[in-house]
Amino acid sequence: DGGITQSPKYLFRKEGQNVTLSCEQNLNHDAMYWYRQDPGQGLRLIYYSQIVNDFQKGDIAEGYSVSREKKESFPLTVTSAQKNPTAFYLCASNLQGQTAPLHFGNGTRLTVT
Amino acid sequence: AQSVTQLGSHVSVSEGALVLLRCNYSSSVPPYLFWYVQYPNQGLQLLLKYTSAATLVKGINGFEAEFKKSETSFHLTKPSAHMSDAAEYFCAVVKSRGTALIFGKGTTLSVSS
Repeated sequence: DGGITQSPKYLFRKEGQNVTLSCEQNLNHDAMYWYRQDPGQGLRLIYYSQIVNDFQKGDIAEGYSVSREKKESFPLTVTSAQKNPTAFYLCASNLQGQTAPLHFGNGTRLTVT
Repeated sequence: AQSVTQLGSHVSVSEGALVLLRCNYSSSVPPYLFWYVQYPNQGLQLLLKYTSAATLVKGINGFEAEFKKSETSFHLTKPSAHMSDAAEYFCAVVKSRGTALIFGKGTTLSVSS
């Protein structure tokens, strides 16, 4: 079955440590996205990539970094510069085109203490 | 800039009652609009999308939405609620440049027996 795999489902880190969240898709989609979800705030766009080796900042990119070395993979690093990293992180992908719906992974819940 | 506003962070209905979840959009260009559903600790699933064809859009699980340009609205309805409809619902609009989505803050639907 095609889909998006996010791992791990739960992640715990100490403050000051960088952490990388994995996102892999086998849908042959060109575009991939990272969203952050906080209670009552909906989903906010962190970074997105429409093609390999290229990515753009979203609305809340500060304290995060990404890479897109392969079409299938779009890892997100939460750096120690992110002031409030505890959140639910969602990865998504879609085909090119503004009417193409996003397909989502099941998310990674990151807790930083 | 594109945006969506979901009116009501929480809606409660009885099983069998009409479901109405409200979404208003702001867009400088003809919008592409989506409704997604999220069950606890999962990713989002597409319910339906509006891409400037028919103004009444039918989706999965008996949901439908009507695009009203004069009211800048895209409200989600279902004639008869089922217990399994209890979830969080998000309205989204495509960013004017690119394919990323801008999400509303979500509406939690509760269904009582």
